[in-house]
Amino acid sequence: EIVLTQSPGTLSLSPGERATLSCRASQTISNNYLAWYQQKPGQAPRLLIYDASSRATGIPDRFSGSGSGTDFTLTISRLEPEDFAVYYCQQYGTSPLTFGGGTTVEIK
Amino acid sequence: QVQLVHSGSELKKPGASVQVACKASGYTFNTQNMNWVRQAPGQGLEWMGWINTNTGNPTYAQGFTGRFVFSLDTSVNTAYLQISSLKAEDTAVYYCLPSNSGGFHYWGQGTLVTVSS
Repeated sequence: EIVLTQSPGTLSLSPGERATLSCRASQTISNNYLAWYQQKPGQAPRLLIYDASSRATGIPDRFSGSGSGTDFTLTISRLEPEDFAVYYCQQYGTSPLTFGGGTTVEIK
Repeated sequence: QVQLVHSGSELKKPGASVQVACKASGYTFNTQNMNWVRQAPGQGLEWMGWINTNTGNPTYAQGFTGRFVFSLDTSVNTAYLQISSLKAEDTAVYYCLPSNSGGFHYWGQGTLVTVSS
């Protein structure tokens, strides 16, 4: 199975700063079928990005995804207070579908 | 709009069985396969497998064979997850997620299953 490694584990930033989250795959992700999700405490995850770089419906343009092959990045251009949360990447190009372990973006 | 309404929280004893229901609306049920994802308390997300909503054929991820059963009732647009011989480590929130591609766009509230004596 494809193992997704997210880094860093925790990112401590201030509102207004730029956040860069990494997701590295153990093998090439077919068709760049990679998604990013945001999860806040007590809530279900929310899809932010799919197909590596397409924003899901209603997602602000401060969220962007990039990358291909085995290396992918989620960038939040300017952190808003509501962006402090846990972020997961997921690949759906090869079965079994797998998720990364998550990156926590916390307020510095 | 797409809605996924999960059945309510369950508290079960070890060794018991539980059935989680997920009623879908807002789209044609058999146009998207139904996936199941588990999230243990304070932990990450784990894909359990999926069921073909046309044929009813399930596919289980490693670690979810034997005690886990996916099923459907297409007459009421509902997917089911049954877990038998419950263990403490089955304590988690279980989500049903329709998808054919493009990630999981729609998430319901999930069902919390707690296994405790």
